[in-house]
Amino acid sequence: AQKVTQAQTEISVVEKEDVTLDCVYETRDTTYYLFWYKQPPSGELVFLIRRNSFDEQNEISGRYSWNFQKSTSSFNFTITASQVVDSAVYFCALSENNAGNMLTFGGGTRLMVKP
Amino acid sequence: DAGVIQSPRHEVTEMGQEVTLRCKPISGHNSLFWYRQTMMRGLELLIYFNNNVPIDDSGMPEDRFSAKMPNASFSTLKIQPSEPRDSAVYFCASSPEGGWEKLFFGSGTQLSVL
Repeated sequence: AQKVTQAQTEISVVEKEDVTLDCVYETRDTTYYLFWYKQPPSGELVFLIRRNSFDEQNEISGRYSWNFQKSTSSFNFTITASQVVDSAVYFCALSENNAGNMLTFGGGTRLMVKP
Repeated sequence: DAGVIQSPRHEVTEMGQEVTLRCKPISGHNSLFWYRQTMMRGLELLIYFNNNVPIDDSGMPEDRFSAKMPNASFSTLKIQPSEPRDSAVYFCASSPEGGWEKLFFGSGTQLSVL
């Protein structure tokens, strides 16, 4: 079974719209870490955020916010007032304590922000 | 710091040839990862080293793939013989310690096997 599921393969929005990227994960571990990475058209993967399983506080960083809910095993990512530069593929990832802490990625969501 | 350095950026080769991809992790990082990215399979972890020792190579597709980390500042991923289905972008990443830390990715090697 896939451990990290990003059901939205592609999303298209118009600039200034808000958009939420969904991430659902599966683990039996009590200690784990969740991540979001961005892959812009240049191809390099860029770290956005890391949360540990004991910290369910939501986080906001500028136009970006993350909603971590253990009850639904979700770690969703919202971009407020999207911009063309937000166009990229976004990956959610999971690192489990009992899996050697290897990082497993979801399939990614391609976000296209049109002017 | 220069970041994770991968070479070459692009590699075009013919089926059956040996291909060697190179990676220099960030100095001081103890963990190194090789990932492969394709449209069909997304980002797959191939192998993970910690302190130069392979910890998990269960993602290595088959015996044609091998990876080494002879010292803390260098790793190679070798494919011999290469096949067209190996065409992909291969990323190297390093972290201070393990996959629970932020990973720093290289720019990737775009491999095309004709």
